[in-house]
Amino acid sequence: NAGVTQTPKFRILKIGQSMTLQCTQDMNHNYMYWYRQDPGMGLKLIYYSVGAGITDKGEVPNGYNVSRSTTEDFPLRLELAAPSQTSVYFCASTERGEQYFGPGTRLTVT
Amino acid sequence: AQTVTQSQPEMSVQEAETVTLSCTYDTSENNYYLFWYKQPPSRQMILVIRQEAYKQQNATENRFSVNFQKAAKSFSLKISDSQLGDTAMYFCAFMKHETGVFSSNTGKLIFGQGTTLQVKP
Repeated sequence: NAGVTQTPKFRILKIGQSMTLQCTQDMNHNYMYWYRQDPGMGLKLIYYSVGAGITDKGEVPNGYNVSRSTTEDFPLRLELAAPSQTSVYFCASTERGEQYFGPGTRLTVT
Repeated sequence: AQTVTQSQPEMSVQEAETVTLSCTYDTSENNYYLFWYKQPPSRQMILVIRQEAYKQQNATENRFSVNFQKAAKSFSLKISDSQLGDTAMYFCAFMKHETGVFSSNTGKLIFGQGTTLQVKP
C-alpha cells in the first residue's frame, strides 16, 4: 500500500492564480481530510469528507473548495490564491479514528 | 468548542535523559481521544501515542508514555532514554468521539501549537 499520496510536493503561485492539490489514498478509507499548517503552528482542518459525494467545512474553509467523486481521491481547489494561503497542506484519511497523513504540499503565494 | 494548548514552544534534553512535554485541553465532552504526533524535519506526521478518555490506565509505547489527568484536562508526554532521532516538533491533538454516516469515528483532529524538542548529544 502506498498509503496517502499528495501532489505536488512544492508549488509557487502568483496572487490570483488557481490550482488543485491532489490527494489519493489506497486504503479504502471513507473519511478524508485537508489540513493546513502555518509556520510554527499546529494543523487546522480546512474540509473533510465522510464518503464519496459527501463533504463538509472544517475550521478554516474560506478560499478553498473540495469534491469527492470517488473513495480514493479528495482534491483541494484554491481559487484566486492569496498570500494568506501560503502554508503546508496535509491530506489525511482515517478508519476507526486513527489518521494516516500524506507527506504534505508546501505552497507559496507571492 | 474544543481547544488544545501546548505552553512550551521549545524544549531541549540531553541524549539518554527523560523529558516531559505538557498539553492541556478544554472540552465539555466526556468521550474523546487524545494523541501525540511527532513531526520531524521531513514534515511527515507520525503518530506517537493515543489515549482513550474512558480508559484510566495511561498509554505507553516503548519509550513513550503519557500522564492523562482527565479531571485536570491534562495530557503530558514523557520520553525516556531520549535519542537523537527524537528531535522533532511534537503536537498534542484532541478528537471528539462522534460517529458518522459509516458508523466509524469521524476523526476530526484539533491540534495544539506544537513543542519543538531538541535532543542534544
